[in-house]
Amino acid sequence: DIQMTQSPSSLSASVGDRVTITCRAGQSIDSYLNWYQQKPGRAPKLLIYAASSLQSGAPSRFSGSGSGTDFTLTISSLQPEDFVTYYCQQTYSTPFTFGPGTKVDIK
Amino acid sequence: QVQLQESGPGLVKPSQTLSLTCKVSGGSISSGGYYWSWIRQHPGKGLEWIGYIYYSGSTNYNPSLKSRVAISVDTSKNQFSLTLTSVTAADTAVYYCARDGDYRWELAYWGQGTLVTVSS
Repeated sequence: DIQMTQSPSSLSASVGDRVTITCRAGQSIDSYLNWYQQKPGRAPKLLIYAASSLQSGAPSRFSGSGSGTDFTLTISSLQPEDFVTYYCQQTYSTPFTFGPGTKVDIK
Repeated sequence: QVQLQESGPGLVKPSQTLSLTCKVSGGSISSGGYYWSWIRQHPGKGLEWIGYIYYSGSTNYNPSLKSRVAISVDTSKNQFSLTLTSVTAADTAVYYCARDGDYRWELAYWGQGTLVTVSS
């Protein structure tokens, strides 16, 4: 299985801040990396696929980059609804695996 | 817009079989081109991919569950199902069904999830 790690596991920020979350794969996964946002009690929502492609309907303040083993999710200006949890996922090979999540809370 | 809705018992006894169904609307499973997945999330924990099925019936399972899991599809009812045998408390989780997008197995559409508790 490909191990996925995320850092930090949690962070505190303010509305309007620029935030970056890092995801690292245990081996190269090319660009087969997706990012999801999950609000409490809700299903995850796809934000970014193929490392850097913005999913239809996702706000443009979200962007992704990276390839190989190191990836980042950037939120350019945090909005109140962004203080939730984010997961990365690799779909390079099965079993598809997720990172442990990064919780963004209000400073 | 594709919509998915999970259904099934919310409580299952240990050693018994967990069975869930995902009803799909707004799109036909039999039209092909997409993979239909199950994912679970233990309470307060991260996400675990269980497996997927293609409309043809081809499946791929997480090896950690492979001996106990089966995913099937019923194109006539436009739904797919999850069966997990010999459940224990460790199988208590929110179970989600999902469909991928147009790229490579990214999970673009999700059901709302259903909590299954394993307890006597």
